[in-house]
Amino acid sequence: DAMVIQNPRYQVTQFGKPVTLSCSQTLNHNVMYWYQQKSSQAPKLLFHYYDKDFNNEADTPDNFQSRRPNTSFCFLDIRSPGLGDAAMYLCATSTEAGAYEQYFGPGTRLTVT
Amino acid sequence: QQQVKQSPQSLIVQKGGISIINCAYENTAFDYFPWYQQFPGKGPALLIAIRPDVSEKKEGRFTISFNKSAKQFSLHIMDSQPGDSATYFCAASRWNFNKFYFGSGTKLNVKP
Repeated sequence: DAMVIQNPRYQVTQFGKPVTLSCSQTLNHNVMYWYQQKSSQAPKLLFHYYDKDFNNEADTPDNFQSRRPNTSFCFLDIRSPGLGDAAMYLCATSTEAGAYEQYFGPGTRLTVT
Repeated sequence: QQQVKQSPQSLIVQKGGISIINCAYENTAFDYFPWYQQFPGKGPALLIAIRPDVSEKKEGRFTISFNKSAKQFSLHIMDSQPGDSATYFCAASRWNFNKFYFGSGTKLNVKP
């Protein structure tokens, strides 16, 4: 009965080699988020979708892109990963705007070599 | 500018004791204050949340105390257990905004 699924759970990529992380949800929620979480730090919001509307945080590097082809799926693309991009990437969902609870997936641990 | 400040950074409590984690916020427009629990290698999970129309909310061993005038809220874990050992994040948000401001986290270690 997994609600927010992230694949893969662990990803190793080389410096500068594009990588894509995926998130899917069975909750039919309108809003999907991508967070970056580095060790011993709070999750940092990268961007979110409200339906198809994309909302980028002002301090999210251009190196990070996202796609949401349908309600259930959302992808995080890192075009040229650097060593500083090694982190846990968390996907979360919530219902209509104003419904606050965010449901987080288990995360993808990204290692950059 | 950090919107939500959380303390302490780490906390060690004996089994059966009370764990207290504090958060303070700046923006008076915030109207939703959740606490998330995160175990190593897992995503955060909602533990308990409060809105500013009440001063306290209790769910089992977990209680949020909210002080609107002081712009502070805290999490109390009664009868702390080793299974409560995790990192706890407070957060704040406001209606229709679709964004959480997280505190920096508190790593709780409950010793048996």
